[in-house]
Amino acid sequence: SQQGEEDPQALSIQEGENATMNCSYKTSINNLQWYRQNSGRGLVHLILIRSNEREKHSGRLRVTLDTSKKSSSLLITASRAADTASYFCATQGAQKLVFGQGTRLTINP
Amino acid sequence: EADIYQTPRYLVIGTGKKITLECSQTMGHDKMYWYQQDPGMELHLIHYSYGVNSTEKGDLSSESTVSRIRTEHFPLTLESARPSHTSQYLCASSDPWRERHNEQFFGPGTRLTVL
Repeated sequence: SQQGEEDPQALSIQEGENATMNCSYKTSINNLQWYRQNSGRGLVHLILIRSNEREKHSGRLRVTLDTSKKSSSLLITASRAADTASYFCATQGAQKLVFGQGTRLTINP
Repeated sequence: EADIYQTPRYLVIGTGKKITLECSQTMGHDKMYWYQQDPGMELHLIHYSYGVNSTEKGDLSSESTVSRIRTEHFPLTLESARPSHTSQYLCASSDPWRERHNEQFFGPGTRLTVL
């Protein structure tokens, strides 16, 4: 299985701090994606990084990918209360997306 | 906000009932998916479709069935619900012919409770 494993499982920080979440996977991938899920809702796509890319930015988000270590990280800078959610990495091989267990992020005001 | 809808949002029913969870999207996407997610856990793919009259089972075995008679509609049916089916069911779609073809758009989910 190429299931992503995320770490930490839960993270609680103060508003304004940076949040870093990590994802590891097992097999080769075409791309890796990060999604956000607010409580009781569906997932929202945040960012995609291809296997030949090492870093990507989108607003306050920064994603890195190290294919040699089969790992990725998501950094959220200057966190806000509205960033409170669960964050999932998802790896894509030939066809399907496989999701990790997610990191539950809480931003304290 | 994605144009993908799921009804009902919440459903509480008794054991043995037949239920259908509705999913529809107005984006004209060919690919659609059903995921099952327990609270605080990862998503498991239970069904997917690459177009009309195409349905495939996902990675997680499920007693549910799906149909894809129209591009925009991908309902999921449980013939006889059991407490073990209690979970959240998420529908998603993607378009293989567009630039962001790897991105999946999710509906809000249906939280099913079987008593």
